[in-house]
Amino acid sequence: DIVMTQGALPNPVPSGESASITCQSSKSLLHSNGKTYLNWYLQRPGQSPQLLIYWMSTRASGVSDRFSGSGSGTDFTLKISSVEAEDVGVYYCQQFLEYPRTFGAGTKLELK
Amino acid sequence: QVQLKESGPGLVQPSQTLSLTCTVSGFSLTDYSVHWVRQPPGKGLEWMGRIQSGGSTDYNSALKSRLSISRDTSKSQVFLKMNSLQTEDTAIYFCTRGPDYWGQGVMVTVSS
Repeated sequence: DIVMTQGALPNPVPSGESASITCQSSKSLLHSNGKTYLNWYLQRPGQSPQLLIYWMSTRASGVSDRFSGSGSGTDFTLKISSVEAEDVGVYYCQQFLEYPRTFGAGTKLELK
Repeated sequence: QVQLKESGPGLVQPSQTLSLTCTVSGFSLTDYSVHWVRQPPGKGLEWMGRIQSGGSTDYNSALKSRLSISRDTSKSQVFLKMNSLQTEDTAIYFCTRGPDYWGQGVMVTVSS
């Protein structure tokens, strides 16, 4: 199985500052079709996960442009510019290159 | 609009079988896969398995011996059955259509 490893945030993050969350996969998620099979989700307290980013860098419908995804085949970053109260929660990366789909352990964002 | 809703017993005794239903609307099960994902209290997300639009299934190898996913397309329902439940199976169970549509989840507690 592909192992997804997420980094921690230096919480709490001051409102209005930027935050970057890292994720590393044990296998390259770059397919021969040129697409990278990585999703990012935000799970707000008490809610279901919400898709933020797919194909490593494509924002899902309705997601603020304060969220951006980047990376290579095995190292990925979710950047949140100008953190707001609604960004509080746990962020997960997930690979969808292979089954079983696997998630990172999650990165908690707290607001100062 | 696309909706998914999980239902099932909130409490299951150890060693018993869990049966959950995911009722969907706004799309056809013959057009999309439906996945099950679970989340133990305070922990991360675990992909359990899926049923494809054609009816075939994929399972997390860690759960494969205990897990079965099936469906009734006429009722727009997907079923999860997992046997030999233990306390570590206590979790919120979500059904999802792809990465972008999630049910609200159903909390299942395994306890005597």
